[in-house]
Amino acid sequence: SYEVTQPPSVSVSPGQTARITCSGDALPKQYAYWYQQKPGQAPVVVIYKDSERPSGIPERFSGSSSGTTVTLTISGVQAEDEADYYCQSADSSGTYRVFGGGTKLTVL
Amino acid sequence: EVQLVESGGGLVQPGGSLRLSCAASGFTISTYWMHWVRQAPGKGLVWVSRINSDGSNTNYADSVKGRFTISRDNAKNTLYLQMNSLRVEDTAVYYCSTYYGDYGDAFDIWGLGTMVTVSS
Repeated sequence: SYEVTQPPSVSVSPGQTARITCSGDALPKQYAYWYQQKPGQAPVVVIYKDSERPSGIPERFSGSSSGTTVTLTISGVQAEDEADYYCQSADSSGTYRVFGGGTKLTVL
Repeated sequence: EVQLVESGGGLVQPGGSLRLSCAASGFTISTYWMHWVRQAPGKGLVWVSRINSDGSNTNYADSVKGRFTISRDNAKNTLYLQMNSLRVEDTAVYYCSTYYGDYGDAFDIWGLGTMVTVSS
């Protein structure tokens, strides 16, 4: 079955830039979506269609795509950004959805 | 307010069955693909299944294929997940979700989830 791969953890100091990558063979063909999940809460979409930001999501969240890798960038990280972040996409046929294993962002 | 509310979770023995429900309010599910996503304790999100708007097309993750059945009753504005032959590894919070807003196929509406525990 199709998989997308994320690093398990990323650590940054407040005010720095955090980058979380997600790799998958079908990413050139299928959009990627990024979700933020805080403990005990449901996920919230922070980036859709690789690089678009939903209304209400701070401008410090951005997304980009290059070949088989997509990247979530959080500029000027704040303490409130500490959370788990998940990449999500679909297989090459668009039939099966897939989530990455999640990346725990720690704000030092 | 647009909302999804899951129910039906609980404790079940291995090999047992449960039926989860997901009731929608504030919008009509009849025009939306609906999905189930699960999250084992301390683990990541895992896509489980999806169903198209009229229920004629369903897809499942390999891990649940042949054991779980997704269905919907648009008249009741409710999504279901029938889970049979449950295994310990099916223990998780089960969320229903869909792409409601103008954000492509982003899962932008989630319920709070219902906990399923498979244990003897």
